[in-house]
Amino acid sequence: GAGVSQSPRYKVTKRGQDVALRCDPISGHVSLYWYRQALGQGPEFLTYFNYEAQQDKSGLPNDRFSAERPEGSISTLTIQRTQQEDSAVYLCASSVGGGTGRRKLFFGSGTQLSVL
Amino acid sequence: EDQVTQSPEALRLQEGESSSLNCSYTVSGLRGLFWYRQDPGKGPEFLFTLYSAGEEKEKERLKATLTKKESFLHITAPKPEDSATYLCAVQAPGFKTIFGAGTRLFVKA
Repeated sequence: GAGVSQSPRYKVTKRGQDVALRCDPISGHVSLYWYRQALGQGPEFLTYFNYEAQQDKSGLPNDRFSAERPEGSISTLTIQRTQQEDSAVYLCASSVGGGTGRRKLFFGSGTQLSVL
Repeated sequence: EDQVTQSPEALRLQEGESSSLNCSYTVSGLRGLFWYRQDPGKGPEFLFTLYSAGEEKEKERLKATLTKKESFLHITAPKPEDSATYLCAVQAPGFKTIFGAGTRLFVKA
């Protein structure tokens, strides 16, 4: 597609359930990022992939959060045993990759997660 | 600790009333400062990248400038369609891009 695609657009779940959020980056983009954005705040870094390798997961808040990108394209962010504090917009971004000049991020519209 | 602080939190302007948004940053080795625009319900959209103090970039009514400690986004003669949240971000060594909380701009016709 022309841009970064995320699904679902909205997800309502009950506390304790697992959720999987999907990101389809721009074709050919090597780098893929997951961010979380609380209401009225800027995006907060979660994790980064270079091709299929997860090179930084320092922003994942705890071990209930995990992410994968098995073939270097589509990525899935999984949250196990969801809690109310997990409610936020989850943004995926991709970039061409490479050196400093290529960190311009292209964002999807996000998945708005609500945990009841 | 790498940090980005934006001010003001919100700004209300009349159409045609020029103003500036501020972004102060602390980062161990700046590799790029970015401005993004975010509309409600959408992801951030890239506007500018600045790399070194003294650099300036322009796009339509927007002009971004950079010093060693802060960046400004100048808006000249804004229109209602410029209403959005403007996010400043810095690229530190490594893979993270660190965002500020944003300035919510409202332009009234």
